Amino acid sequence: SQTIHQWPATLVQPVGSPLSLECTVEGTSNPNLYWYRQAAGRGLQLLFYSVGIGQISSEVPQNLSASRPQDRQFILSSKKLLLSDSGFYLCAWSVLSSGANVLTFGAGSRLTVL
Amino acid sequence: QKEVEQNSGPLSVPEGAIASLNCTYSDRGSQSFFWYRQYSGKSPELIMSIYSNGDKEDGRFTAQLNKASQYVSLLIRDSQPSDSATYLCAVNYQGGKLIFGQGTELSVKP
Repeated sequence: SQTIHQWPATLVQPVGSPLSLECTVEGTSNPNLYWYRQAAGRGLQLLFYSVGIGQISSEVPQNLSASRPQDRQFILSSKKLLLSDSGFYLCAWSVLSSGANVLTFGAGSRLTVL
Repeated sequence: QKEVEQNSGPLSVPEGAIASLNCTYSDRGSQSFFWYRQYSGKSPELIMSIYSNGDKEDGRFTAQLNKASQYVSLLIRDSQPSDSATYLCAVNYQGGKLIFGQGTELSVKP
């Protein structure tokens, strides 16, 4: 069966510090991978998605970046965090099912920037 | 117009009642629609998917789709306190992107 791992689960970082969140998927090959952010009390905002190694699409201008160094690994990074980067970051993977992308989420990483 | 819109709620219903959650979307070309449930502090989990006009039933849940009106809904029959959560509507857009609404908070009172 497929599983998705995300870490760290929680982190508190000062403004201006770097960030690295990691996500790996097991039990499937060539998945679509996604990073979403959820601010407190808000919906999910799509940040990045990837359909293959080295193929990253960015949805919103921001100081975050994403990389996919391996087929089942997706990394979210920042060189200098802003207060507005606080939120719940969710990695997800999908495969086509009945012609649709059905997403499964990891447990999430809760980031607080102080 | 937002890509996917939901009433933020909170929607409060008594235990045993029917909860009705609504969602509209802007892209007429969308073909796939989903409802996710998110408990506080947790990640979303898929509860229903629907691809064709009409109703789709799964246990106490019924998803309804009307592509002409660009409208998706979720009905929860015999609501239980354990159904209290935020319900997220999601729509597949071009290129495989899944766009979410802001979610509707549901509270089921015993």
